[in-house]
Amino acid sequence: KNQVEQSPQSLIILEGKNCTLQCNYTVSPFSNLRWYKQDTGRGPVSLTIMTFSENTKSNGRYTATLDADTKQSSLHITASQLSDSASYICVVSSGAGSYQLTFGKGTKLSVIP
Amino acid sequence: IAGITQAPTSQILAAGRRMTLRCTQDMRHNAMYWYRQDLGLGLRLIHYSNTAGTTGKGEVPDGYSVSRANTDDFPLTLASAVPSQTSVYFCASSGSLGTGELFFGEGSRLTVL
Repeated sequence: KNQVEQSPQSLIILEGKNCTLQCNYTVSPFSNLRWYKQDTGRGPVSLTIMTFSENTKSNGRYTATLDADTKQSSLHITASQLSDSASYICVVSSGAGSYQLTFGKGTKLSVIP
Repeated sequence: IAGITQAPTSQILAAGRRMTLRCTQDMRHNAMYWYRQDLGLGLRLIHYSNTAGTTGKGEVPDGYSVSRANTDDFPLTLASAVPSQTSVYFCASSGSLGTGELFFGEGSRLTVL
């Protein structure tokens, strides 16, 4: 069964600090891996999409990495801000023509002053 | 740019009643999806549509139906609501099935009593 596991479940950090969120997956076939940010009470918003051949991709202070060999991804947030408080969801796609997206349960990040 | 509009934003419903959640997109995306999000679980796919006139079942389709009469609209109907359908429902769209960025609506919070 396809699975996406995220860790930690929740995280509290001080404003200005960096943090890294983890995502391990067992999804086959693999097409791409996505990170979404979901603010409380809002819909998820895409941060990055990475294909098999991409090792790293940045979106402002967010940097995602992908190791397709070990089936691991990470999302690094630099110089955190209060507005980074949200759930971060890792999603793996099985490819074009497939409706199958496997969602992780998310990591809830709280940035405190 | 509106993106995806969902209605209602929240609703309390008596068990056994019929309910339709509305979803409209203005991006001319071919693929549309309905997910439910429950505490402690990842987003789960209910139904999807590859293009106008076609629909398919996702992971948790029982008790739900959808239609895709045109490109823009993708309503989700609960024929006879049950308490286990209490959830937050998200409509999403993408350019084509399984590829590209997934755009989400802001969600419809449904409580079935």
